[in-house]
Amino acid sequence: NAGVTQTPKFQVLKTGQSMTLQCAQDMNHNSMYWYRQDPGMGLRLIYYSASEGTTDKGEVPNGYNVSRLNKREFSLRLESAAPSQTSVYFCASSARGRGSPLHFGNGTRLTVT
Amino acid sequence: QQQVKQSPQSLIVQKGGIPIINCAYENTAFDYFPWYQQFPGKGPALLIAIRPDVSEKKEGRFTISFNKSAKQFSLHIMDSQPGDSATYFCAATSDTGNQFYFGTGTSLTVIP
Repeated sequence: NAGVTQTPKFQVLKTGQSMTLQCAQDMNHNSMYWYRQDPGMGLRLIYYSASEGTTDKGEVPNGYNVSRLNKREFSLRLESAAPSQTSVYFCASSARGRGSPLHFGNGTRLTVT
Repeated sequence: QQQVKQSPQSLIVQKGGIPIINCAYENTAFDYFPWYQQFPGKGPALLIAIRPDVSEKKEGRFTISFNKSAKQFSLHIMDSQPGDSATYFCAATSDTGNQFYFGTGTSLTVIP
């Protein structure tokens, strides 16, 4: 099982450019999440999708959009990248229900110059 | 507002020592408390988790202690090894909610 797969692994953007981070899971999980990780800040939730067809804002949604394409795929889009969006982005999924943990991908390291 | 507070930010111990990482929360609706371990260049991976109906849970060298009245929980790593050097995150969620709330992480270094 691949689990949660994120692409690309690394990306460098110039300020104002746009890009989409891709995420796919093969565990038939209902819920999917996008987090960003910054030094000293822990993991902060950007957006999540509790089930196919729904999306909700997390703690830091400004500057991002998401699409739950189907049950497997959840993408994160930066429409106009800013240096403040330099971070490591993690996608995660969960079955939800009692005792269901998050399963993370290996991240996308994004640098905005 | 930080839903889960974690300390210390970093920790250095000798091999065989017992590092302890502490977390505290406010929301009494939280009923599932996982710990994640993250190695450089990798995503966080579930290490161990606990529910508030028990005060302690052990899995191998890893133990969670839970104090429901104080709204605190901690991770103990027995007989720590250099391979345990990683960043550890505590988290909290509720079965009726959709979000996991993470602490800010603890960078652990185990010196040989």
